[in-house]
Amino acid sequence: QKEVEQDPGPLSVPEGAIVSLNCTYSNSAFQYFMWYRQYSRKGPELLMYTYSSGNKEDGRFTAQVDKSSKYISLFIRDSQPSDSATYLCAINTGGFKTIFGAGTRLFVKA
Amino acid sequence: SQTIHQWPATLVQPVGSPLSLECTVEGTSNPNLYWYRQAAGRGLQLLFYSVGIGQISSEVPQNLSASRPQDRQFILSSKKLLLSDSGFYLCAWSVGRVGPDGEEQFFGPGTRLTVL
Repeated sequence: QKEVEQDPGPLSVPEGAIVSLNCTYSNSAFQYFMWYRQYSRKGPELLMYTYSSGNKEDGRFTAQVDKSSKYISLFIRDSQPSDSATYLCAINTGGFKTIFGAGTRLFVKA
Repeated sequence: SQTIHQWPATLVQPVGSPLSLECTVEGTSNPNLYWYRQAAGRGLQLLFYSVGIGQISSEVPQNLSASRPQDRQFILSSKKLLLSDSGFYLCAWSVGRVGPDGEEQFFGPGTRLTVL
């Protein structure tokens, strides 16, 4: 079993839709969770990070961690064409190692 | 504010040729530095990380090497490139807060390497 699993998509939604992006992980000891956005041919950009369980909101973005299910989510409200990108979940294991999901490609159609 | 630079942005090299990719960070001191490779449709693979000048840890045995000659400079090298070395190479830095709380990493713009 992979340490982090992420559906590669692609996910295509109309402008204004609510987008839900998800990852599952295998180790219940993981505590530090991140979401990155990567535009084509660019480096990943940190969107949000959360420590332990719960929700964190930043503008149109909400990150959610459910440690009981080992499930992390990123919600995008009122999605825009500029949100079209690949979204990577990432988990830092407390040292130098960060485990990245394979990324979900999102297309928001105008 | 902190910025991270990588160059070149794009590189096409023949099999068997040497490689040198450079990464520099501005606006911070004593960062942790990382080299990743990203293959199409796959996650990021950690290649090397460094916690200080001259201190390099390798995660994946291969024909690549890394060096950190200065605090904010990280170099990825190869003496002889293989076809399988093609990919998108990303440099990243973090503040160096090691411990159970974890920390986030910040990425450079990447170098796209094609080995022919």
